[in-house]
Amino acid sequence: DQQVKQNSPSLSVQEGRISILNCDYTNSMFDYFLWYKKYPAEGPTFLISISSIKDKNEDGRFTVFLNKSAKHLSLHIVPSQPGDSAVYFCAANGNAGGTSYGKLTFGQGTILTVHP
Amino acid sequence: NAGVMQNPRHLVRRRGQEARLRCSPMKGHSHVYWYRQLPEEGLKFMVYLQKENIIDESGMPKERFSAEFPKEGPSILRIQQVVRGDSAAYFCASSPPRKSPLHFGNGTRLTVT
Repeated sequence: DQQVKQNSPSLSVQEGRISILNCDYTNSMFDYFLWYKKYPAEGPTFLISISSIKDKNEDGRFTVFLNKSAKHLSLHIVPSQPGDSAVYFCAANGNAGGTSYGKLTFGQGTILTVHP
Repeated sequence: NAGVMQNPRHLVRRRGQEARLRCSPMKGHSHVYWYRQLPEEGLKFMVYLQKENIIDESGMPKERFSAEFPKEGPSILRIQQVVRGDSAAYFCASSPPRKSPLHFGNGTRLTVT
């Protein structure tokens, strides 16, 4: 029962172009979404998050869009840089205002490769 | 400010042995979470602890797995009588006592031979 899905196992992009990573979810109770980036042999690093009361959140080169009716979110990276090459995980939480906000449901990850 | 520290980084155990994984949260963080990542999969929640309390262990296998976060010292994830299927990367994460993204350690890679 995969409640958070990242259907693209990998994505290859040219340096300077836009990278778009997609994520779909099935659980209507999810109301807080995060993107994590992971390099090999390291732990995930938090990138950006969005609450369900918003449909867009921006932080520098990273923008996350949330479409609640479609249960879909996406991460845009522009411009992409070779250092962005990593595995990107989408994660969701359904405890708005609760205490277990660290209990996350992760997608399977998308490997992003940015070519110079 | 040191991040989340996990040790050992790599652990090899034979079937039937015990594995002990340690996690020291970031300074000021009182909430600890353990996640497991099987090959080619995303991270799966296992357990959420605060000092001396297990808050949510809904992701823990019913047998052989236990976790603790004592008043003093690191959090420990213990796996008794390991089997090959326990081979995975185990990540610990911590957060302060307020809504905040998790900070993850670099994980312990457990290999059961």
